[in-house]
Amino acid sequence: NAGVTQTPKFRVLKTGQSMTLLCAQDMNHEYMYWYRQDPGMGLRLIHYSVGEGTTAKGEVPDGYNVSRLKKQNFLLGLESAAPSQTSVYFCASSYMRKLKTALLAVQPQHFGDGTRLSIL
Amino acid sequence: SQQGEEDPQALSIQEGENATMNCSYKTSINNLQWYRQNSGRGLVHLILIRSNEREKHSGRLRVTLDTSKKSSSLLITASRAADTASYFCATDRLTTSGTYKYIFGTGTRLKVLA
Repeated sequence: NAGVTQTPKFRVLKTGQSMTLLCAQDMNHEYMYWYRQDPGMGLRLIHYSVGEGTTAKGEVPDGYNVSRLKKQNFLLGLESAAPSQTSVYFCASSYMRKLKTALLAVQPQHFGDGTRLSIL
Repeated sequence: SQQGEEDPQALSIQEGENATMNCSYKTSINNLQWYRQNSGRGLVHLILIRSNEREKHSGRLRVTLDTSKKSSSLLITASRAADTASYFCATDRLTTSGTYKYIFGTGTRLKVLA
């Protein structure tokens, strides 16, 4: 059981280049998330998805786009990379347990091991 | 400032000692979770405590939640060198659009000396 897999693990880009980070999960989770982690700032949510075909903005969405064409995959795109986007990017997934009251009970997130991205 | 501020930022203890980390947050929450991150790896979930719970145990971990003070603490008893990692709290709340959003704190770096 692989869990959450991120590719690539490392990448160096030049300013203005574009790239796509891939996240794949095999746990049939509905929710998927993209975070960036910078020194001293913890994790900040970029975009997230509550199901196939849906995406939503997080705390720091500017400069990034996402797509969730398949339930198991969540892609993060940088159209024109900037040095400020140098960071470690983490993907996570989770499911929401539906209670009898129809409310959703938050479940833990499962994380990949990150993509280390440097933009020169 | 961020929802979810851990204290202290860094902690160094001897093996066998207890380690206590604190997390404070600003708005009302539904749940609070603690995660561990080993160097160069992703976060691993440790424990979840719901807003109507006050204390929870899991092995050598003990988590308390005080919603009146908007704070939580993580206690690791009888620490081991393998506990060396960064520890993050994460709060979640229901947004006006009906979805949940997580906010992670900046973390406590724990070093356990053998």
